[in-house]
Amino acid sequence: DTEVTQTPKHLVMGMTNKKSLKCEQHMGHRAMYWYKQKAKKPPELMFVYSYEKLSINESVPSRFSPECPNSSLLNLHLHALQPEDSALYLCASSLYLNGGEKLFFGSGTQLSVL
Amino acid sequence: AQSVSQHNHHVILSEAASLELGCNYSYGGTVNLFWYVQYPGQHLQLLLKYFSGDPLVKGIKGFEAEFIKSKFSFNLRKPSVQWSDTAEYFCAVNGGSGNTGKLIFGQGTTLQVKP
Repeated sequence: DTEVTQTPKHLVMGMTNKKSLKCEQHMGHRAMYWYKQKAKKPPELMFVYSYEKLSINESVPSRFSPECPNSSLLNLHLHALQPEDSALYLCASSLYLNGGEKLFFGSGTQLSVL
Repeated sequence: AQSVSQHNHHVILSEAASLELGCNYSYGGTVNLFWYVQYPGQHLQLLLKYFSGDPLVKGIKGFEAEFIKSKFSFNLRKPSVQWSDTAEYFCAVNGGSGNTGKLIFGQGTTLQVKP
């Protein structure tokens, strides 16, 4: 299994809703990530988990709450989002290989906030 | 702070034309360099990477890139493009240890290949 699986693929939510994005990998990778990608823009890092511990938070607003229940799962809990949070949310995992981290990206969750 | 600059924002080529997409980065230390491709409606896929060793790196689908340390560049090349190469291309850098997986992406280049 060489995939990073994200669910749901599409999500529409109101500003008062609470929803969660899920990410799963079974490659035994030690690090997992959340990236955000706006249309026609490059991905931007949000969070990094290393060995199930949050190691990087790129000053992300608290309405985004990551969670890593175990080494294979990564969640992103959403609450009170704004329309400008509409974007493609990408999960990735990585392994250290030949002197660097090789990232594997999921297909993403396309989020629309109304 | 690290940054990545892609000079070409939108490139239009005919099939069989040669491709070169520019990428420059700013970081003084050891870097890992990547090119990713994003086909319409699909996820990011790794085309190739440079960690160390031979500065000429060969990737998938006939792509290659050359790391020129003195120029802080990592340009992507393909001798003959196909219509199926139409996609968004991102150069990215991961600067040394302690930046695990923290990729800094360039703004991307949209490649349109006309049949």
